[in-house]
Order: sequence, then structure tokens, then C-alpha cells
Amino acid sequence: AQKVTQAQTEISVVEKEDVTLDCVYETRDTTYYLFWYKQPPSGELVFLIRRNSFDEQNEISGRYSWNFQKSTSSFNFTITASQVVDSAVYFCALSGTNTNAGKSTFGDGTTLTVKP
Amino acid sequence: KAGVTQTPRYLIKTRGQQVTLSCSPISGHRSVSWYQQTPGQGLQFLFEYFSETQRNKGNFPGRFSGRQFSNSRSEMNVSTLELGDSALYLCASSYRETSTDTQYFGPGTRLTVL
Repeated sequence: AQKVTQAQTEISVVEKEDVTLDCVYETRDTTYYLFWYKQPPSGELVFLIRRNSFDEQNEISGRYSWNFQKSTSSFNFTITASQVVDSAVYFCALSGTNTNAGKSTFGDGTTLTVKP
Repeated sequence: KAGVTQTPRYLIKTRGQQVTLSCSPISGHRSVSWYQQTPGQGLQFLFEYFSETQRNKGNFPGRFSGRQFSNSRSEMNVSTLELGDSALYLCASSYRETSTDTQYFGPGTRLTVL
């Protein structure tokens, strides 16, 4: 079985602070994909990033950055200079390609509140 | 391209009834997956269809079923509704099988069972 743990249930920051959302995963698959999604109050999950297990390069996209460390099975997400519009629930997800092919597993989500 | 669309957006049913939810994927996408989201259980995988075939199924009772049509549109059916079936049902589409591809989600259908 595969598992995704987002230990932080809720995080509250003040605008312009940096914030890191943690994601730890478990899988026996040798090839897998990791994702982050944002779910604003409207309810629709918005895709943010996809990373395969062979690509450990960190990625930066504007104020967003992701740190993938296979050695610690973590795929953390950092928002720099947070804004009120970043307030949402963020989900980390894992999709395997072997024993867990096609069965995407989501973490419980982290609710981020950015206060003005 | 238009995104994933789901109909209806809101639904109220009573226990024992059945319900059918519809999902139209992004044009060209052949894989459709369904998820149930509840406050207590989070996002749980229901099933995945690819080219009209169910490829994977989550741990849900047989009351939950689905199908995919030749145009990749998918329907999900829940029979003999229970109070615990109240949830946001999300549909996601991808070009390839979900194990290798990014899923794009629709706005969801919020089902309330009274």
C-alpha cells in the first residue's frame, strides 16, 4: 500500500511570510509520481506540480518552490512572500506505476490561512 | 480548451434513492477517475476508467459503480444511498493512465443525502 502524510493540519501566517508545507510519502514502487494540488474555497483542485521519482531537482515557479528528497521520502512545498490569495487547502498526492498503478493516494491536506 | 465539467453541481437525495453523476473530461483525455471527498475521510479514490475499461477500483462497496462511454465521458452511479454518502464527488481526467499522467479536476458534485 502507499501512503501520504501531511502532518500539518492547519497553518496560519501573516501576509509576506514564507511558509513550508510538509509532505512525507511511503511506497514500494520504484517508479512513482508526486503531485501538489491547491483547493480554494470554490472546491476545484488546481494542479500545481508533478514530479517523477527519478527527478530530484528542486523546482521554482514564481513564489512557489518544491524540495524533493528521495532519501527522506519527502516532497515539501514552500510559498515565498505569501499572499491572501494563497489561502486554500493544499494536497500532496502520490501515484505509483507498479503495484499501485492508477491508484492515486492523497494526503489529508493542509489548510493554509494567510492573514492580511 | 474547456476544463473538466461535472453535472449536476449540487444534488439532494434521500436515503435509499439512487443517483447518477456525470463527468465530461478535457477534450482528448481518455482517462477519467472519480474521488469522494469528505471531512472525515479526505480524498478517496473510487475508480479509474481508461478507454471505456475500468482499470482500477478503490475500496468502496458495490453500490458505487461507473462507466465510460466511447467519447470518454463518464458516469458514476450510487445505489441505495446512505447518509454517509454525503460528500463532494470529484472527477479528474488525464490524457494517459493516471499512474503516469497529471490529473485535472472538475468542480465537483456536492451530494447531500437526507
